[in-house]
Amino acid sequence: EVQLVESGGGLVQPGRSLRLSCTTSGFTFGDYCMSWVRQAPGKGLEWVGFIRSIINGGTTEYAASVEGRFTISRDNSENIAYLQMNSLKVEDTAVYYCTKDYGGQQANNDAFDFWGQGTKVTVSS
Amino acid sequence: DIQMTQSPSAMSASVGDRVTITCRASQDINNYLAWFQQKPGKVPKRLIYASSTLHSGVPSRFSGSGSGTEFTLTISSLQPEDSATYYCLQHRTNPRTFGQGTKVELK
Repeated sequence: EVQLVESGGGLVQPGRSLRLSCTTSGFTFGDYCMSWVRQAPGKGLEWVGFIRSIINGGTTEYAASVEGRFTISRDNSENIAYLQMNSLKVEDTAVYYCTKDYGGQQANNDAFDFWGQGTKVTVSS
Repeated sequence: DIQMTQSPSAMSASVGDRVTITCRASQDINNYLAWFQQKPGKVPKRLIYASSTLHSGVPSRFSGSGSGTEFTLTISSLQPEDSATYYCLQHRTNPRTFGQGTKVELK
């Protein structure tokens, strides 16, 4: 059974940092790209960024709204994806989801099939 | 960046009605389009991927179509449990982009 479990959310002051974890099981983690998606209170879904699989170089891409402040990484031995969030702003307040992106050597259109339950991040003074 | 324009933003329909939601991409995304259902306080659930492939376990009243820039999600006969917000997502290029969402309510 595929499972993704986020952790690390909480209340943090503007300008501070927080690291979220996404612990996975039930699939070959290293074979898949992993995305982070967030949802501000009462708003729609916003893609935050992703990290490619091992075979695709493990490189990252980010939304413009977080570029330079957020960093995604992965520990393929522990099957965990991370979202390091620095210089947090009030507008980063959201529920953060990790999701299983595409697998395999080339991008394909079977992605985002499994999501974690989300972890809430509140940025406030 | 590719913009996803989803319409309508909200709608009200009766049980048994046929419901259609549209997403338009600002550029050709081939069929790298997925549809999600989200109920309040819950995790988004994938309904459709590759524009028209039904996710395992999703009722057959849901269907998707389209390619290129125009896509539709259809609920053939609306059921009470379908009251939710629906999102499209393009993942042809980065940044991946979601539509604004369509809130479907039961009359």
